[in-house]
This record gives sequence, structure tokens and C-alpha cells, in this order.
Amino acid sequence: EAEVAQSPRYKITEKSQAVAFWCDPISGHATLYWYRQILGQGPELLVQFQDESVVDDSQLPKDRFSAERLKGVDSTLKIQPAELGDSAMYLCASTRGRGWETQYFGPGTRLLVL
Amino acid sequence: GDSVTQMEGPVTLSEEAFLTINCTYTATGYPSLFWYVQYPGEGLQLLLKATKADDKGSNKGFEATYRKETTSFHLEKGSVQVSDSAVYFCALSDPAQGAQKLVFGQGTRLTINP
Repeated sequence: EAEVAQSPRYKITEKSQAVAFWCDPISGHATLYWYRQILGQGPELLVQFQDESVVDDSQLPKDRFSAERLKGVDSTLKIQPAELGDSAMYLCASTRGRGWETQYFGPGTRLLVL
Repeated sequence: GDSVTQMEGPVTLSEEAFLTINCTYTATGYPSLFWYVQYPGEGLQLLLKATKADDKGSNKGFEATYRKETTSFHLEKGSVQVSDSAVYFCALSDPAQGAQKLVFGQGTRLTINP
């Protein structure tokens, strides 16, 4: 069964450093989402891509976060500089098309900022 | 904006007990409703969903019915097992918001004791 791949699974960094997370959605899935899940809370959407275009990045802290999906396949989420409050699980999800479909989640990247 | 409220946890039950996790929502439009489950160290997995009023989603012995009149989507299982121990998230997606993002509740941690 096809899955959403994410790497790394765990990342420890010091504040003010740069970090990057990678996501490879299920093959053929046009829509890709990045969510942030703070410990003890539900995930919150950071950014949504439709192919290579950003559909919604209203909750992305653009002063330090950036996301790209250059060829409309895999995606990278970057934080620079990292802050203590960025410690969280970063989840990637994908859906096949533009309709209201089930989102399939990857295993996540757990970030700890020291 | 849209929101989801879940019963607070943690919830601890004995094996074979009956489970209810309450979920209520507020939405601008006519949302689809979901229950996701997150096992320790893993990403989210779709447990069940319902897309219109009075629909019942079911999977692995879990059920939830979309109740428009009470804006609820409570999760139930007749006889829980130790393997059901996980965090459960209620979520919605609302076409009226113009994007397919999921809005999650805060999660309910369930522990089943043998």
C-alpha cells in the first residue's frame, strides 16, 4: 500500500539554526499539506499545495517558515531561524485531486529545538 | 471560524468496556466529519468518516453518526481492546472555507488496561 514518506523522523537542533523537512506524497496525489502538531494539541494546517502552487498559507509564519513544491511532487518545509516554540511534530498529508477527499498522513518529523 | 471540541482526556478503561468519546463542531457550511487515530510515535490514520447528516461511519468496530441537529459526531465502540490505546482526533473539512484543510479537535488520549 502506497504511503506518504517523510524525513527525517526526528530532528534536534539549537535555536537560531536552520532546519528542513522533506515529504514525498503518494504517487499521483496532486494536493499536499503540511500540518504542525504541538504536543497535546491537534494538528493545524501550515500550508496547502495544489500541484506546485500554494493554495493556502495563511497560517504559515512567513518571517521564518518557507515551503516549496517545485515540480509538484515532493515538498520541503524550512524553518530559519528555529525558535524554542517551533518544537512540535510536523506532519505531511496528501490527497489525489481537488475534491473533498480523505487525507493520507505520513509518519511525521518530530522537531526539538534546544 | 470553524472549530471542533472533543471531550477532555485522558480516558482510561478496562478491556471489553464500552467507549464513547464526545465530539461537537461549529462550521460555516456543511462539513464532512472524520475521526483519526494516532498510535504512539506514528502519524494520523483515518479511522472513519461521514459526509452528510445521518451518515454512520464505521471501521474496526468503531462507529460515529453525523448528527446535524446536535452538531455532533461521537465515537463509540462496544468492546475496547488493549490495542485501541491511542490518541483519537475528531476533525472536519468545510467546503464553505474554500480550502480542503482539516480542522482538528485537541485529541483524546485513550488507555485500555487488560
